Amino acid sequence: QQQVKQSPQSLIVQKGGISIINCAYENTAFDYFPWYQQFPGKGPALLIAIRPDVSEKKEGRFTISFNKSAKQFSLHIMDSQPGDSATYFCAASNTGGFKTIFGAGTRLFVKA
Amino acid sequence: NAGVTQTPKFQVLKTGQSMTLQCAQDMNHEYMSWYRQDPGMGLRLIHYSVGAGITDQGEVPNGYNVSRSTTEDFPLRLLSAAPSQTSVYFCASSLWGLADNEQFFGPGTRLTVL
Repeated sequence: QQQVKQSPQSLIVQKGGISIINCAYENTAFDYFPWYQQFPGKGPALLIAIRPDVSEKKEGRFTISFNKSAKQFSLHIMDSQPGDSATYFCAASNTGGFKTIFGAGTRLFVKA
Repeated sequence: NAGVTQTPKFQVLKTGQSMTLQCAQDMNHEYMSWYRQDPGMGLRLIHYSVGAGITDQGEVPNGYNVSRSTTEDFPLRLLSAAPSQTSVYFCASSLWGLADNEQFFGPGTRLTVL
């Protein structure tokens, strides 16, 4: 039972382009939506997160867009760089984080 | 401040063998968890703990046991390894009850069961 659906599975973007990864969730009790970035051989690390009381959050080149009514959220990476090549996971949890549900992941490759 | 540490980094087991994956954190985090990462499946929660002496099951607990005797340590035990448990295992920790519950992940243990 996959409660957080993530797409695409893989993504190839030219340097300087925009990378877009989408996620949809089912459980309306979720109130915290983080994105994690994972480089090969490493553990995931928090990239950016949003709560459903805002529709957008921006940190540098990374932006989360959130659509509460559609139960969807997305990660936009502006001016994508080869160093952004990694696997990205969206996730959802309740406040307190007892159980975080992760999407299946998106492998991003940014071509130089 | 070492963060979250995991040992071993790699392990090969034969079917039926038992082993313990170690996890420790030095950030005084109440919440600790174990995930397995499989291709196309993302990270799936195995077990979690909200403090010493308190553990609970996640999405995929079968075949795994945990205990939490101290705040720092959260070992994961495989009692009788099966090929289906071949995976990369991540331990994570976080504060809980706060608005931003960032999880800090260890470097992972790559386990192969033959």
